[in-house]
Amino acid sequence: GDQVEQSPSALSLHEGTGSALRCNFTTTMRAVQWFQQNSRGSLINLFYLASGTKENGRLKSTFNSKESYSTLHIRDAQLEDSGTYFCAAEAGPGGNNKLTFGQGTVLSVIP
Amino acid sequence: GPKVLQIPSHQIIDMGQMVTLNCDPVSNHLYFYWYKQILGQQMEFLVNFYNGKVMEKSKLFKDQFSVERPDGSYFTLKIQPTALEDSAVYFCASSLGVNTEVFFGKGTRLTVV
Repeated sequence: GDQVEQSPSALSLHEGTGSALRCNFTTTMRAVQWFQQNSRGSLINLFYLASGTKENGRLKSTFNSKESYSTLHIRDAQLEDSGTYFCAAEAGPGGNNKLTFGQGTVLSVIP
Repeated sequence: GPKVLQIPSHQIIDMGQMVTLNCDPVSNHLYFYWYKQILGQQMEFLVNFYNGKVMEKSKLFKDQFSVERPDGSYFTLKIQPTALEDSAVYFCASSLGVNTEVFFGKGTRLTVV
């Protein structure tokens, strides 16, 4: 079965507001990455975490391997944040860097 | 950030023909991957490759699929023969090591008609 369960599947935010995306893992994961897929289909690396929390501008991500989840927080959403967000995790140990992706969250930022 | 280049960006091919998708990984990376995405949905792992060998492949990596990187040139995914269900966007990726960040190209949209 799916090892990565991502929620919500879709999210609408007004400009200036914020929310959180979450990925739950059904097996032990060694590291997690978060990506934004833009309208042209390109995957943009947002975060790579083996543990803890990282912050970059209006984005913050946490990975808790013991409790098997990761979150991506977006604050002060802007129109250009619209797109599909994916988490992807590598099972560990010995995962060969094979990333298992979540189902994605389609984010729409509206004026 | 590091760039993975994929050529072409879009390819249309007749069912049954052979197609080769080309990837130029990040220059100092050692591990290479192919993923498949249908209609903007979930990304699915196909195969990873290191030191001239396939390390792991998924059940989506059919017998008609093969990968190679001859003499450090392009990392390629060959499909021979193609089938209608092979229509998808294929993403190449690379990483420096096993426990390191993975970077993706912009994808090749393959349409089999």
